[in-house]
Amino acid sequence: NAGVTQTPKFRILKIGQSMTLQCTQDMNHNYMYWYRQDPGMGLKLIYYSVGAGITDKGEVPNGYNVSRSTTEDFPLRLELAAPSQTSVYFCASKREGFSSNEQFFGPGTRLTVL
Amino acid sequence: TQLLEQSPQFLSIQEGENLTVYCNSSSVFSSLQWYRQEPGEGPVLLVTVVTGGEVKKLKRLTFQFGDARKDSSLHITAAQPGDTGLYLCAGAGNSGGSNYKLTFGKGTLLTVNP
Repeated sequence: NAGVTQTPKFRILKIGQSMTLQCTQDMNHNYMYWYRQDPGMGLKLIYYSVGAGITDKGEVPNGYNVSRSTTEDFPLRLELAAPSQTSVYFCASKREGFSSNEQFFGPGTRLTVL
Repeated sequence: TQLLEQSPQFLSIQEGENLTVYCNSSSVFSSLQWYRQEPGEGPVLLVTVVTGGEVKKLKRLTFQFGDARKDSSLHITAAQPGDTGLYLCAGAGNSGGSNYKLTFGKGTLLTVNP
């Protein structure tokens, strides 16, 4: 199993540009998450999904959109990039059930908006 | 206001020393997790604690969940350079909230010098 994969690994955007961060997991996990990590700030939840066709906002959703058309894929869309969106983005997944709260993380996408 | 406060934020020690990092909150959590993150990678789960007062050991690492399930500590015995990384605590189900979302602390950046 590849686990959680993210593309691209690095990206530089100009202000106002748009892009999609890709996330795929091959573990058949129902739950998927997008986080951003800023220096010294831990991980902040952007959006999450409890299954295909269902998404919900996390702590910091403004400026982002998501979709979940399949169990495997959970892309994150930035429509009008702003410098405040410079960050490292992590996708994660977990299987269903209280006893399995472990989240599996991808390697991250480092995004710079200039 | 950060729901989970980690201390210290930075820690630099010599190989062979012992250390303890703390994760504190005013909220009750149904479970608490510790992750380690190495540079350029996503966090990886070390342990989950569920029961108040629970102690779990992972080789030289000892994790404790507070009796009231509001705080946790991680103790490392005889630290090695391979222990270097960012240690993140994450709580689930605070104050009766959903168990499938995690709230992360800001992390403790540990450097173990040879």
